[in-house]
Amino acid sequence: DTGVSQDPRHKITKRGQNVTFRCDPISEHNRLYWYRQTLGQGPEFLTYFQNEAQLEKSRLLSDRFSAERPKGSFSTLEIQRTEQGDSAMYLCASSFEGFSDTQYFGPGTRLTVL
Amino acid sequence: GDSVTQMEGPVTLSEEAFLTINCTYTATGYPSLFWYVQYPGEGLQLLLKATKADDKGSNKGFEATYRKETTSFHLEKGSVQVSDSAVYFCALRISNAGKSTFGDGTTLTVKP
Repeated sequence: DTGVSQDPRHKITKRGQNVTFRCDPISEHNRLYWYRQTLGQGPEFLTYFQNEAQLEKSRLLSDRFSAERPKGSFSTLEIQRTEQGDSAMYLCASSFEGFSDTQYFGPGTRLTVL
Repeated sequence: GDSVTQMEGPVTLSEEAFLTINCTYTATGYPSLFWYVQYPGEGLQLLLKATKADDKGSNKGFEATYRKETTSFHLEKGSVQVSDSAVYFCALRISNAGKSTFGDGTTLTVKP
């Protein structure tokens, strides 16, 4: 068990560019979550997958945001036409369906939009 | 909607002091409750959890009791260490499949 990994750890981009982040969950976990965290705030839910199906999306997830989990393993989060307000830490978590279903978080990808 | 309110920080304590971080919640259903900790430069780690009323979660000397009557889940530790310096987040989840709702975090600094 190597934990949840995210890539890249840091991303600096210019306004208007597209960015894509990757999350690799714990291998046996079938649920995967994306959250966004800004300075001084707690994580805010963005979206959630069970296997390859995207089951829930937050209103925070505008049309510029898209997430995929094509084979029910790793996931990508893409932000198109980035804005300065997108600057945040993007967190991925995974869990295994079951009684406890504890969410385990990755280290996050810090996005800075200039 | 669901929400979590944590006591405002930052909190600064001397080593071996008693710690309480207050957490209250509002929920549309019957939640499970969690405390996560984030050490400097690291990701969120689950510290403890409780899934039903009157349950006590405990880990690494930290404890929290699920109080349905007061909708609270206060975090306590009898004697803090410098290594406990971190940001602590209270969270709830209504079902075992859905999103977690987090508080804004409380920064704890423990001085030797």
